[in-house]
Amino acid sequence: QKEVEQNSGPLSVPEGAIASLNCTYSDRGSQSFFWYRQYSGKSPELIMSIYSNGDKEDGRFTAQLNKASQYVSLLIRDSQPSDSATYLCAPLMSAGGYQKVTFGTGTKLQVIP
Amino acid sequence: DGGITQSPKYLFRKEGQNVTLSCEQNLNHDAMYWYRQDPGQGLRLIYYSQIVNDFQKGDIAEGYSVSREKKESFPLTVTSAQKNPTAFYLCASSIVVGGLARAGRAKNIQYFGAGTRLSVL
Repeated sequence: QKEVEQNSGPLSVPEGAIASLNCTYSDRGSQSFFWYRQYSGKSPELIMSIYSNGDKEDGRFTAQLNKASQYVSLLIRDSQPSDSATYLCAPLMSAGGYQKVTFGTGTKLQVIP
Repeated sequence: DGGITQSPKYLFRKEGQNVTLSCEQNLNHDAMYWYRQDPGQGLRLIYYSQIVNDFQKGDIAEGYSVSREKKESFPLTVTSAQKNPTAFYLCASSIVVGGLARAGRAKNIQYFGAGTRLSVL
């Protein structure tokens, strides 16, 4: 089992729709979760962080966390063509007595005008 | 302007040559990281450093070396032992590595430089 699993996509949604990006992780003890957006050829940029079960909203973005199910998701409302990018899920996970951020391989989102 | 500066943006390596990628940050972060990204792949950790004069191997350290002589700087050398160096190299920093005091969760957030694309001639 991979430490962080994401569907690679591409996930295609029409402009104005809700895009739903999902992520599962293997470390039951993970407490912090980050979502990064990476445009083609560019470096990742942080868009959301979430630490508690439930939803966290920031503008058009909502992160959802369910620690019991080891599942975290990112919803993008009113999707825009400028949201077309790869979204990386990055939980903070235990590794040999310390903790490190582990990046998933990402889901490519395409927003169709 | 606070941030992370990587240079050069593009780099070409000849057979048998060592090359060094620069990473400088003025965010006063203690932790710095180097990742490698191949086309269509995720980020793989090469090395990280939690404090000056100390660093640890990541998942794919073979063929790479680093130093951390100053808090602001964490250069990566791609040695001739790295047989497949063509990739996008990303440097990142965070306030700390790990450590999850309830009030300090945000300290693990990593911020990235613009990256260096390395190709082989």
